[in-house]
Amino acid sequence: SQTIHQWPATLVQPVGSPLSLECTVEGTSNPNLYWYRQAAGRGLQLLFYSVGIGQISSEVPQNLSASRPQDRQFILSSKKLLLSDSGFYLCAQKGVNEKLFFGSGTQLSVL
Amino acid sequence: AQSVTQLGSHVSVSEGALVLLRCNYSSSVPPYLFWYVQYPNQGLQLLLKYTSAATLVKGINGFEAEFKKSETSFHLTKPSAHMSDAAEYFCAVSYTNAGKSTFGDGTTLTVKP
Repeated sequence: SQTIHQWPATLVQPVGSPLSLECTVEGTSNPNLYWYRQAAGRGLQLLFYSVGIGQISSEVPQNLSASRPQDRQFILSSKKLLLSDSGFYLCAQKGVNEKLFFGSGTQLSVL
Repeated sequence: AQSVTQLGSHVSVSEGALVLLRCNYSSSVPPYLFWYVQYPNQGLQLLLKYTSAATLVKGINGFEAEFKKSETSFHLTKPSAHMSDAAEYFCAVSYTNAGKSTFGDGTTLTVKP
């Protein structure tokens, strides 16, 4: 089975502060991992994906960055948060047969 | 480029009534199509997916969706709504990589007693 751990579940941060969201996965080795953001009332937007350690692809220009220091660890970061970074962040892992497994998400509020 | 349009950001039905959530897509190649459900404060859960096999796809919780190429649609249906079906539903389209899906804006389903 594939389990995804995301934390924290909720986070309130002031504008200009740093951010670090962590995602760890269980299951198959060398998984494809993804960070999505869901803005209020909107669908998901793919932010980053990674096919292996140290390999990060960015889908949209933004104030965020991602890193994959270990096979099953995927981190979303920012040096200085903006108001527009508020949203619901989901980590996902691609399993067999193209199925995506999602974590429970982090609700980020930037004030 | 691929895109997804979900018609109706809010749908309300009575318990026991038919559920119909609409999704139209555009894709330059044969698509993979997905429906996800999101319960409050939770991540997404896959309901069903179309991968060029049968055009009528059955998913979990009694949901099904029909791929209609001529209409570029993949509408989600359930014959009889249950209170526990109240949630937000997302349609998504991708090529071969499910992780690089494009999602619709979602439809909130409300079920009235």
